[in-house]
Amino acid sequence: DTAVSQTPKYLVTQMGNDKSIKCEQNLGHDTMYWYKQDSKKFLKIMFSYNNKELIINETVPNRFSPKSPDKAHLNLHINSLELGDSAVYFCASSPVRKVAEAFFGQGTRLTVV
Amino acid sequence: GQQVMQIPQYQHVQEGEDFTTYCNSSTTLSNIQWYKQRPGGHPVFLIQLVKSGEVKKQKRLTFQFGEAKKNSSLHITATQTTDVGTYFCAGSLSGTYKYIFGTGTRLKVLA
Repeated sequence: DTAVSQTPKYLVTQMGNDKSIKCEQNLGHDTMYWYKQDSKKFLKIMFSYNNKELIINETVPNRFSPKSPDKAHLNLHINSLELGDSAVYFCASSPVRKVAEAFFGQGTRLTVV
Repeated sequence: GQQVMQIPQYQHVQEGEDFTTYCNSSTTLSNIQWYKQRPGGHPVFLIQLVKSGEVKKQKRLTFQFGEAKKNSSLHITATQTTDVGTYFCAGSLSGTYKYIFGTGTRLKVLA
């Protein structure tokens, strides 16, 4: 069973389009994250939710909007896609405990053309 | 803002050689984690260090947290081709869920 699953795995779309990436975790974790990994492999946190509440909101364009319908799901919607949005987007989840290791999904490679 | 830098950015080693990556934070950390990302894969958790000066070992991997809790290192003894990937440290500030990932060190092991 996949612990953290993201869909789709690949996404190719034109500039100006709106797209969503879905993430689900079956680990019972309270905290979920979205990270962006650019072409230089830098991993940057975008958002984090704890029990459906937004707790981390980094300096990310308003075009990016996370939504957490329940604590097992954290989706990412992106409006008016731009070329610079091309990257790999990782969803992750972690428990709230002493060793809070993050479990990452397989990633969604977004290519904006 | 908080920054976490890693050096070197890239490292090529011959199989059997040792490898070390260093992680430096601009601010004091509550704890530090290390992750490995294989080419084309996703980051996978390796370990978490919490105490000042802490040293932990996992087989050929040795992790260290600095006394001032602002730096950390990962040392791999006698590298193998399976060690190939990018190694990230991730530091957390006290009382936050936020982990800032380091810039990563990409390791290539030549057979």
